[in-house]
Amino acid sequence: EVQVTESGGGLVQPGGSLRLSCATSGFNFRSYWMTWVRQAPGKGLEWVANINQDESDKYYVDSVKGRFTVSRDNAKNSLYLQMSSLRVEDTAVYYCVRDCFGGASHWGQGTLVTVSS
Amino acid sequence: QTVVTQESSFSVSPGGTVTLTCGLSSGSVSTNYYPSWYQQTPGQAPRTLIYNTNSRSSGVPDRFSGSIVGNKAALTITGAQADDESDYFCVLYVGSGAWVFGGGTKLTVL
Repeated sequence: EVQVTESGGGLVQPGGSLRLSCATSGFNFRSYWMTWVRQAPGKGLEWVANINQDESDKYYVDSVKGRFTVSRDNAKNSLYLQMSSLRVEDTAVYYCVRDCFGGASHWGQGTLVTVSS
Repeated sequence: QTVVTQESSFSVSPGGTVTLTCGLSSGSVSTNYYPSWYQQTPGQAPRTLIYNTNSRSSGVPDRFSGSIVGNKAALTITGAQADDESDYFCVLYVGSGAWVFGGGTKLTVL
């Protein structure tokens, strides 16, 4: 069974940093693109970033470019999102997603990031 | 900037059929956008229903189907049930790794 579990969310002040982690199991992690999607409270879904199998390709939504970095450790079946210079508008539930044909096949339960003073 | 459009709300009677759409503010949706569909109930993570236009995700009932209708991607639910009442989101792959989500459709079954 495919499992995706995010961790690392919490309360951080504007301008601060946070690192999200995503542990996976039940599939050959190193064979898949992986993606981060977020959802602000009461809002819709927003694609944040994704990464290919060997980290040679990484893409970001414009609003996080230069502030967020996606990475992975294939030996640990894990995905990461390093977030810095956080803004109030980055407040959201962040979902780790396994890619499938340009969309999501499996979702984690999400981790809440709250940026507030 | 690519904007993906969805109906903000829709209602269907129990047992009825409803088609939700996913379009582009400029241009037509084709299979080249790999449209996919997700269901989300309040407080829960999204659940994948359809990927790559019309492929049903594992465990999804065949009441849910995806297609291209005219210049939009479409999600059709046949024999609607009470627990189909949810938010439905589509996403399009627009190239260079980027996905764009629609704003979502709130489906009411009544």
